[in-house]
Amino acid sequence: KNEVEQSPQNLTAQEGEFITINCSYSVGISALHWLQQHPGGGIVSLFMLSSGKKKHGRLIATINIQEKHSSLHITASHPRDSAVYICAVHSGTYKYIFGTGTRLKVLA
Amino acid sequence: SQTIHQWPATLVQPVGSPLSLECTVEGTSNPNLYWYRQAAGRGLQLLFYSVGIGQISSEVPQNLSASRPQDRQFILSSKKLLLSDSGFYLCAWSGGLDYGYTFGSGTRLTVV
Repeated sequence: KNEVEQSPQNLTAQEGEFITINCSYSVGISALHWLQQHPGGGIVSLFMLSSGKKKHGRLIATINIQEKHSSLHITASHPRDSAVYICAVHSGTYKYIFGTGTRLKVLA
Repeated sequence: SQTIHQWPATLVQPVGSPLSLECTVEGTSNPNLYWYRQAAGRGLQLLFYSVGIGQISSEVPQNLSASRPQDRQFILSSKKLLLSDSGFYLCAWSGGLDYGYTFGSGTRLTVV
């Protein structure tokens, strides 16, 4: 079992839909990142969380440390949101543990 | 502001040939540096990380090696490439927890 699990693995949505991507982890962490990987491969950091909730534009990220769970929400989804979304946890060393990603496709 | 440069963007190399991928960071000092590989359809796998000049930690035994000759330079190398070395290689840096994590644009390596 992976230490960081994401669900779903693949997600297709219609434009305008509210989207939720989930991340569960089994290790102790000091921070959790949500990353976005574009079709060309480039990766952008969206959020870094250690507690609570953060919002940036149409993106909202939440984390529940007790339940070892984080969610990434996209409101009013758009085709340009199509990408792979990756959860990564900082496990208290110099290393990050990555989930395998959720491939999101938003249809116009 | 901090930036990270990684090159080349794409590379096609024959089996048995050497490899050298370079990554440099600007605008910061003493960054933690990382090399990741992403095989087709799979997640990111940490290959090496470095917390200082000449300090390299290897996460996965393989025919790759890494070096950090300067504070902001991280190099991924191989003496003889294998077909299984094909993948997408990403360099990343972190200034510590408060600074998050920034990726380079990646190198798509195809070994033929």
